[in-house]
Amino acid sequence: RKEVEQDPGPFNVPEGATVAFNCTYSNSASQSFFWYRQDCRKEPKLLMSVYSSGNEDGRFTAQLNRASQYISLLIRDSKLSDSATYLCVVEVGNTGKLIFGQGTTLQVKP
Amino acid sequence: GAGVSQSPRYKVAKRGQDVALRCDPISGHVSLFWYQQALGQGPEFLTYFQNEAQLDKSGLPSDRFFAERPEGSVSTLKIQRTQQEDSAVYLCASSPALVGGLAGGPGTGELFFGEGSRLTVL
Repeated sequence: RKEVEQDPGPFNVPEGATVAFNCTYSNSASQSFFWYRQDCRKEPKLLMSVYSSGNEDGRFTAQLNRASQYISLLIRDSKLSDSATYLCVVEVGNTGKLIFGQGTTLQVKP
Repeated sequence: GAGVSQSPRYKVAKRGQDVALRCDPISGHVSLFWYQQALGQGPEFLTYFQNEAQLDKSGLPSDRFFAERPEGSVSTLKIQRTQQEDSAVYLCASSPALVGGLAGGPGTGELFFGEGSRLTVL
């Protein structure tokens, strides 16, 4: 079993839609969680950290469920510019070692 | 520029050749990571450094892969006797933070990536 698992998609949604991505992780000792965004043939960039209480940044909401070892990302009012691959990232314990999921591809259509 | 710089951007090697990939992290960044990304996959952890110390090399696929950061700044990833399965984008990332146990808390999670070195082995 992979340490971080995501549904690769693709998710094809119309502009303005709400879309949610899920991610599960296997190491219960993991403490830090993040979502990165990667545009086609570009490098990954940090989108947001994921906090235990859940957190929001504009149209993006991240949630963590430690008991189920599950992380989610919700995007409201999708824009064309949101089209990208969203990578779930988990720190292994407190080691600083960041493990990436396979990524979920989002295509927002006009 | 002030970002992470990787070279070469593109490398074509014949099977069996040795290759060296270079990473110039952002000045002053303590932590440096190498990842391998195959087409359609997420980045796979290879190894990471804190200054010149290689703290974890558990992700290196075989003893053909070797990484170093002798002065705690520039890093080189070397692949000996390349195989076709080594074809991938090799991403380098740096972070200003001390990560993990030495920092005494959760990592910051913000890695600054270079554009990658795309290796094709024929």
